Amino acid sequence: QVQLVESGGGVVQPGGSLRISCAASGFTFINSGMHWVRQAPGKGLEWVAFIWYDGSNKYYVDSVRGRFTISRDNSKNTLYLQMNSLRAEDTGVYYCAKDPCSSNRCYFDYWGQGTLVTVSS
Amino acid sequence: EIVLTQSPDFQSVTPKERVTITCRASQSIGRSLHWYQQRPDQSPKLLIKYASQSISGVPSRFSGSGSGTDFTLTINSLEAEDAATYYCHQSSSLPLSFGGGTKVEIK
Repeated sequence: QVQLVESGGGVVQPGGSLRISCAASGFTFINSGMHWVRQAPGKGLEWVAFIWYDGSNKYYVDSVRGRFTISRDNSKNTLYLQMNSLRAEDTGVYYCAKDPCSSNRCYFDYWGQGTLVTVSS
Repeated sequence: EIVLTQSPDFQSVTPKERVTITCRASQSIGRSLHWYQQRPDQSPKLLIKYASQSISGVPSRFSGSGSGTDFTLTINSLEAEDAATYYCHQSSSLPLSFGGGTKVEIK
């Protein structure tokens, strides 16, 4: 069955950096586009970034563009999010989500359990 | 940027009642509208894709309708396990966006 397991969350000071990962299994990773979606404490869902199946195209919400980088290693079936210049408003649970489409944005058919990122001094 | 407005924000419902949640898009998105359920302390789960297409394993009491700017999620005969927050999501254009969520409480 499809499994998405995030890791790497933690507490980081404002202005700091963190890289979170998502290990995928149970499906052919290279066939799927992948997303990061976040949820601030007690708030709704916010899409963060999307990467094509081959990593050739990447898209971001305006609030993270230039600070966050989405990437993937298809040989390791792993998705990454490098987060730099972190702000308090980046605090939340970060979910990786699988897209059934390889390059077009379709929908999120599977989600991981999430990893908590807390930006605080 | 496409804004999705859900209503109501909160609904308290007795078991076996019907629940209707609406999602309005700020511009036409065709049928590129999807619904998710998020139970407390769990990850979101896909319920309906492309406005009305059912998902394998999702109970048949969940259904969706609509196109263009106005969409509806209906839960027929609510069960206790349906206590959750429901979100709509559009994939028509970037940035992808979600509605603010509708929390459904069981009386």
